[in-house]
Amino acid sequence: DGGITQSPKYLFRKEGQNVTLSCEQNLNHDAMYWYRQDPGQGLRLIYYSQIVNDFQKGDIAEGYSVSREKKESFPLTVTSAQKNPTAFYLCASREAVPMPQHFGDGTRLSIL
Amino acid sequence: AQSVTQLDSQVPVFEEAPVELRCNYSSSVSVYLFWYVQYPNQGLQLLLKYLSGSTLVKGINGFEAEFNKSQTSFHLRKPSVHISDTAEYFCAVSEAGTYKYIFGTGTRLKVLA
Repeated sequence: DGGITQSPKYLFRKEGQNVTLSCEQNLNHDAMYWYRQDPGQGLRLIYYSQIVNDFQKGDIAEGYSVSREKKESFPLTVTSAQKNPTAFYLCASREAVPMPQHFGDGTRLSIL
Repeated sequence: AQSVTQLDSQVPVFEEAPVELRCNYSSSVSVYLFWYVQYPNQGLQLLLKYLSGSTLVKGINGFEAEFNKSQTSFHLRKPSVHISDTAEYFCAVSEAGTYKYIFGTGTRLKVLA
């Protein structure tokens, strides 16, 4: 079955540490997205990518970085500059505009 | 600027009763509208979408929504809810010509026995 795989499901970060969240899709979608979800705030866009080797900042990109070296993969790095990283992170992909997004099952990041 | 408002943060309803979850948006251009459902510690699952055509849209699990352009609304309805419908529901909007999707803050539906 086609879908989006996010790993790990739970992740813990120490102070001053960078961590990378994985997102892989086998839907052959061009566009991929990263969202942060906090209680009562809905989903906020961190980064998105329309094609390989190209990506744009979303509304809350500070303290995060991404890469898009392959169509199937869009990893998100939470850097030490992100002072409040505790949240649920969701990866999504989309076929052509204006089709809906497909979501992975998320990664929950916590601070040790 | 584009925005989505889900005024009800929580909606309790008894099993087999009808429910309506409200969604209003602001936009000056054509929009595409979506409702998603999220169960605890899971991703979002598409319930239904409005892209064009009939303003009454039917989705999975017996849900439907109606696009009202004049009132800029896209309310979600189900005539008879089940315990298994307990979840969080998100409305989302995408404007024509953009790649971004704007999400509401969600409505937590709690179905009571």
